[in-house]
Amino acid sequence: AQSVTQLGSHVSVSEGALVLLRCNYSSSVPPYLFWYVQYPNQGLQLLLKYTSAATLVKGINGFEAEFKKSETSFHLTKPSAHMSDAAEYFCAVSGGGSNYKLTFGKGTLLTVNP
Amino acid sequence: GAVVSQHPSRVICKSGTSVKIECRSLDFQATTMFWYRQFPKQSLMLMATSNEGSKATYEQGVEKDKFLINHASLTLSTLTVTSAHPEDSSFYICSLQGEGGELFFGEGSRLTVL
Repeated sequence: AQSVTQLGSHVSVSEGALVLLRCNYSSSVPPYLFWYVQYPNQGLQLLLKYTSAATLVKGINGFEAEFKKSETSFHLTKPSAHMSDAAEYFCAVSGGGSNYKLTFGKGTLLTVNP
Repeated sequence: GAVVSQHPSRVICKSGTSVKIECRSLDFQATTMFWYRQFPKQSLMLMATSNEGSKATYEQGVEKDKFLINHASLTLSTLTVTSAHPEDSSFYICSLQGEGGELFFGEGSRLTVL
């Protein structure tokens, strides 16, 4: 069984400030972890993924996430927020390999203030 | 990553009618595709797994007779919402799994049942 908890349904930052979106997971097997972004009325776009290689994963648009097994966390960060980063962000976990079932967190809405 | 296209992006229908949503994989032969449903300001819920040339696998609580899934080719899966009612109004998103275990999503289809 696996689950994802995203702490904070809404995060608000100023333009240029650090973005930190929190994700904790639970998995009975070594997990694969993902972050997706969703803009209004659109599908989900993959930001980055962790699949048991390097624990610090770099993604698109300047985002990165670090897998911390001891903390069961996979927080998403970006050093400097842009207005275009405003969107809904979802963390997801799967059992890896052919276990295709992704379990999604409830999402975190990021707003960026000018 | 794989490119997934959904059509229509928006559809409005009368209660009692049926609506078909198409999901196409433009550059990837997908033996398996997935259908998700997303309620406003909520996360994604996996409805069913669409298998090319065989019956779909539905998640617990999803009505097979209401949500008909057909996966007739390696590039096309369809979801038909039969005898739609207002409570079926939602955002429906299809996806397929990439070689690295990640999911690639279509743009989504917003269904409004009057």
